[in-house]
Amino acid sequence: GAVVSQHPSRVICKSGTSVKIECRSLDFQATTMFWYRQFPKQSLMLMATSNEGSKATYEQGVEKDKFLINHASLTLSTLTVTSAHPEDSSFYICSARRDRSEAFFGQGTRLTVV
Amino acid sequence: AQSVTQPDIHITVSEGASLELRCNYSYGATPYLFWYVQSPGQGLQLLLKYFSGDTLVQGIKGFEAEFKRSQSSFNLRKPSVHWSDAAEYFCAVGPNRDDKIIFGKGTRLHILP
Repeated sequence: GAVVSQHPSRVICKSGTSVKIECRSLDFQATTMFWYRQFPKQSLMLMATSNEGSKATYEQGVEKDKFLINHASLTLSTLTVTSAHPEDSSFYICSARRDRSEAFFGQGTRLTVV
Repeated sequence: AQSVTQPDIHITVSEGASLELRCNYSYGATPYLFWYVQSPGQGLQLLLKYFSGDTLVQGIKGFEAEFKRSQSSFNLRKPSVHWSDAAEYFCAVGPNRDDKIIFGKGTRLHILP
């Protein structure tokens, strides 16, 4: 199957700082990437959909100025959590779609804001 | 509206016993259906998927699922579970016309030795 690499797997940052998470499709071109947030023992909550070369589409209730998404190429999307606060601590997962039939998921990033 | 329901939040089975995880969906057209597994602190791994054709789908790790249109179900089964199968399992449907995959809330599988 296709491989999606997410980096870093864990990150700890101080309140008020920004942190960037990368999502790369290693062996295919992904026209669409998705960013999810997962709270403990919960399902995945879709945050935004990003298409290469265009602005991301955010789900209702997700602050686009706090969660900046850039999809600069067909193999890379980034999520930047700006001015992070402890309530932003969560598990973030990206997925990349090769075609309409299947999405491949990264291994997730555990963000802890202290 | 499209939705996925996993009625069981937790399931506990003994090692070696058979397993069935339930999934019901609501979707306007013939859906694409998926089962994913998530180990603690990890991303999601695709177990199997159904698009069309044979309604009994074989996946990895000995899992299978059966699509039943009349019941709007896509239950996941395994004849004999192993301790390493303990994880969270998510059923999903999509993509919808907004190109999104909709996930169920997940079922956590516990294995008794």
